Amino acid sequence: RKEVEQDPGPFNVPEGATVAFNCTYSNSASQSFFWYRQDCRKEPKLLMSVYSSGNEDGRFTAQLNRASQYISLLIRDSKLSDSATYLCVVNPSGGYQKVTFGTGTKLQVIP
Amino acid sequence: DAEITQSPRHKITETGRQVTLACHQTWNHNNMFWYRQDLGHGLRLIHYSYGVHDTNKGEVSDGYSVSRSNTEDLPLTLESAASSQTSVYFCAVQGSGNTIYFGEGSWLTVV
Repeated sequence: RKEVEQDPGPFNVPEGATVAFNCTYSNSASQSFFWYRQDCRKEPKLLMSVYSSGNEDGRFTAQLNRASQYISLLIRDSKLSDSATYLCVVNPSGGYQKVTFGTGTKLQVIP
Repeated sequence: DAEITQSPRHKITETGRQVTLACHQTWNHNNMFWYRQDLGHGLRLIHYSYGVHDTNKGEVSDGYSVSRSNTEDLPLTLESAASSQTSVYFCAVQGSGNTIYFGEGSWLTVV
């Protein structure tokens, strides 16, 4: 089993739709979780951290389910500008070198 | 956020040549990383450094080396470029918490 797994997509959704991505991780000792956004031919950029209690930033909501070992990202009212690849990032305890990136889920928002 | 400058941004080189990709950060943080990103593999760690004169091998270090003579710079050297090293390379710096910030990337083609 891969350390971090994501559905590669693409998820093609109309503007205004709600879309959700999940990411599963294998190391139950993982401590920190993030979602990054990566545009085509650009560097990954931090979208949001994922807290145990769940957190929201505008149209974006991130949640952590430790029991089932997955994190999720919900995007409401999708905009064309949300089209990108979303990377799940997991950091087990023990050093930053162990940060593991998912291969990403591609989202395409359609007019 | 840290300003992370990578150069060159694009390079074409021949098999067997030595290539150095530069990475410079203005944030003065200790933890720096080099990743490569390839389709289907996501981001893979090449080398990392936790401070001056500290260097460590990552997941895919064969054929690469780094040096850390000061806090600001972590150059990545390909000793003898191979076609398998055609990729996009991202330098990264660890910021507050466990957040990783990336440079804009260096696109390398080995012919």
